Amino acid sequence: GAVVSQHPSRVICKSGTSVKIECRSLDFQATTMFWYRQFPKQSLMLMATSNEGSKATYEQGVEKDKFLINHASLTLSTLTVTSAHPEDSSFYICSAGQGYGYTFGSGTRLTVV
Amino acid sequence: GEDVEQSLFLSVREGDSSVINCTYTDSSSTYLYWYKQEPGAGLQLLTYIFSNMDMKQDQRLTVLLNKKDKHLSLRIADTQTGDSAIYFCAERETGGFKTIFGAGTRLFVKA
Repeated sequence: GAVVSQHPSRVICKSGTSVKIECRSLDFQATTMFWYRQFPKQSLMLMATSNEGSKATYEQGVEKDKFLINHASLTLSTLTVTSAHPEDSSFYICSAGQGYGYTFGSGTRLTVV
Repeated sequence: GEDVEQSLFLSVREGDSSVINCTYTDSSSTYLYWYKQEPGAGLQLLTYIFSNMDMKQDQRLTVLLNKKDKHLSLRIADTQTGDSAIYFCAERETGGFKTIFGAGTRLFVKA
């Protein structure tokens, strides 16, 4: 079945630095990937839709300059949190898939100190 | 816009059946899903149902879809302690790939 790999699983960074999170589809090509953010004990909030070879589509209220998305190939999408602040600390999850359902990566726990 | 609602908490005894309910607003959704999330982990697709189906059974899992009432349920038979997790109901938007999630139901299984 579809396998999505997300890396890193945990990252701690200093306030003001940037962090890159990778999402890879391992056994299929994904023209579309999704990036979600999950706050503690809450549901997933769709941040943006990553489209291979074109600009990402951001949901309302998500700063595109803060959360840079690059989908340069059919198997890789990256989310870069720029100039991270403590309020960006969260669990970020990507998903990709085919047909009926989407597979999720294992998530990245970002802590900004 | 689309909205998915589900109860936030359910507690059952080991061996009993668990029923997690969900309501959604987009009557033209193509697929409806149940995902499981264990602490600190990503989401695992448990099962899905296509909108023209009323029921789907997969081992201990039974999904019931009432399109008229826009109600989806997940029944877990013989619930085990390993089933303790958060269960998310989700619907896929018509004609697209965007998936809208409910807030998740936290299932506690008591031994």
